[in-house]
Amino acid sequence: QSALTQPASVSGSPGQSITISCTGTSNDVGGYNFVSWYQQHPGKAPKLIIYDVTNRPSGVSDRFSGSKSGNTASLTISGLQAEDEADYYCNSYTGYSTEVFGTGTKVTVL
Amino acid sequence: QVQLQESGPGLVKPSETLSLNCTVSGGSLSSSYWSWVRQPPGKGLEWIGHGYYTGTTKYNPSLESRVTISLDTSTYKFSLKLTSVTPADTAVYYCARVSQQWLVPRYFDVWGRGSLVVVSS
Repeated sequence: QSALTQPASVSGSPGQSITISCTGTSNDVGGYNFVSWYQQHPGKAPKLIIYDVTNRPSGVSDRFSGSKSGNTASLTISGLQAEDEADYYCNSYTGYSTEVFGTGTKVTVL
Repeated sequence: QVQLQESGPGLVKPSETLSLNCTVSGGSLSSSYWSWVRQPPGKGLEWIGHGYYTGTTKYNPSLESRVTISLDTSTYKFSLKLTSVTPADTAVYYCARVSQQWLVPRYFDVWGRGSLVVVSS
């Protein structure tokens, strides 16, 4: 199974909105609403920020939102803050009953 | 609140078996999947596999021939064994709880802090 495709890097100024895409196939992203997103700061474990495409766990800022269209899922960060600078990974359940992560996106706050 | 902690050797020789344990505190192993994810230095996340308390397991096809994940509900631990390791298996290994719905894995909601394993002679 191939990793889901994400842009290597995305940047924005404080207060702006950015969107990270996650492209898969009809056998993973497009076929199931089990897409999740993770934030990872350097040297730390990943942290769940979006699950089931659009849902936020308790305690996660509402500046994070998720969506999906066809085989592409997206994570939008609104009102970008310095603390949002991190790596972001998408994940999807697949038709083979396995899991697949995205290639990862480094978010830089200018 | 469920917490996870990885443990095991930080150095493994090539061709040997990598063994890691994950201790679960604050909850039981029932009703969730339990997974291993790894991250080579400077690279992205790779799903290794998961297990369910009933004994069901599923592995990444690229690693399936070398991986075994097992759960011990009596000791609140689950383990990873990866055989015939090479330097390419050097990575931080994370254990994670996987929320499920109708026995379908949905998302990784609790993570351990990670354990660096270096494969070198």
